[in-house]
Amino acid sequence: AQSVAQPEDQVNVAEGNPLTVKCTYSVSGNPYLFWYVQYPNRGLQFLLKYITGDNLVKGSYGFEAEFNKSQTSFHLKKPSALVSDSALYFCAIYSGAGSYQLTFGKGTKLSVIP
Amino acid sequence: EAGVVQSPRYKIIEKKQPVAFWCNPISGHNTLYWYRQNLGQGPELLIRYENEEAVDDSQLPKDRFSAERLKGVDSTLKIQPAELGDSAVYLCASSNPDRLAGGRYNEQFFGPGTRLTVL
Repeated sequence: AQSVAQPEDQVNVAEGNPLTVKCTYSVSGNPYLFWYVQYPNRGLQFLLKYITGDNLVKGSYGFEAEFNKSQTSFHLKKPSALVSDSALYFCAIYSGAGSYQLTFGKGTKLSVIP
Repeated sequence: EAGVVQSPRYKIIEKKQPVAFWCNPISGHNTLYWYRQNLGQGPELLIRYENEEAVDDSQLPKDRFSAERLKGVDSTLKIQPAELGDSAVYLCASSNPDRLAGGRYNEQFFGPGTRLTVL
């Protein structure tokens, strides 16, 4: 069975500083990893995904994520945080073996302090 | 391109009452998902459709939950009767499983959700 873990319930960062939201995964077979963002009272918005290829994946709104197979991690990063980045961030992984079920982490609340 | 549409956005009902949620996916997206998101948690899949066929309903509580997607486009999720523990946000998502669009591991697009409160 596949799973993702987001070890931090909340991350606080000052505006303009780099931010990192952590995600580790467990899966048998190839991982298909995603990051989504959720703003209050809104659905989840897709940020980026790793399927195969380059370990550094670039996505929407200046976000990027680095796939690290040896550490089974897929951390979300941004060089310079904006106050508008404050939201709930979810890491997710697809299972393989024909299930095609997307399993989400518990989420990390990011607060960017002006 | 219009996004995933859900209605209603909010619903408050008393326990034991029935409730229904409606979803219209992005045009051309054959795969439709219903998720439940409890407070402080990530979404959990209830059911997945490919066209009009429910291909994964293993996590749908079938004693009180039902879903349909009769023409392979919009979908309805129903709870009857509702219980206090059903209070959550119900999210609908759709994706395009075409290989040229990324195949079955393609990203899913979510609607704004329906926040259900059962009193």
